[in-house]
Amino acid sequence: ETGVTQTPRHLVMGMTNKKSLKCEQHLGHNAMYWYKQSAKKPLELMFVYNFKEQTENNSVPSRFSPECPNSSHLFLHLHTLQPEDSALYLCASSQESGQTYEQYFGPGTRLTVT
Amino acid sequence: QKEVEQNSGPLSVPEGAIASLNCTYSDRVSQSFFWYRQYSGKSPELIMSIYSNGDKEDGRFTAQLNKASQYVSLLIRDSQPSDSATYLCAVNDYGNKLVFGAGTILRVKS
Repeated sequence: ETGVTQTPRHLVMGMTNKKSLKCEQHLGHNAMYWYKQSAKKPLELMFVYNFKEQTENNSVPSRFSPECPNSSHLFLHLHTLQPEDSALYLCASSQESGQTYEQYFGPGTRLTVT
Repeated sequence: QKEVEQNSGPLSVPEGAIASLNCTYSDRVSQSFFWYRQYSGKSPELIMSIYSNGDKEDGRFTAQLNKASQYVSLLIRDSQPSDSATYLCAVNDYGNKLVFGAGTILRVKS
């Protein structure tokens, strides 16, 4: 594993539920990301946090709400999701240093919305 | 929106051969380029990064970058069945934002 952990690894939720995904990085990085990966589609960037501040919201619906309490932890709060939100949700982290933006991914949370 | 294009494959090569994976990108000002490997059911794993024109070698992997042609490639020498995976090309957009291609499926036949 790469030093980025995610919980839970699998989640099944109904459209009226509220749940949260958790990500923790143990690499000392200062940037964290949420991505969505759907079948046969490229990775989609959802949110970027630099030094705990959100610097990117890639037109994500408000039913997804990120939270970054510190540079090691990142949450994605989910509510009233739709079946098309079923996907693999990936967290990543990186250390900003000049032009190098190597991102390291966690194992992902496989989300199924019923 | 910047674009990163990859042939979806599958690219099939025999064991021991060289696998050549290609990627083109739309934005001339991109400066950082990455190759990730993703096994089925797993998350992407960074295998190569390249920032300057030319070749960069790491073990059996060589990344090649040609900024004038907006082209980056990954060569895998002595391909092994364990190399069978989807290979994702990523290019930096602005700052630390990356744009990913859809990936190329590689199958190495023993």
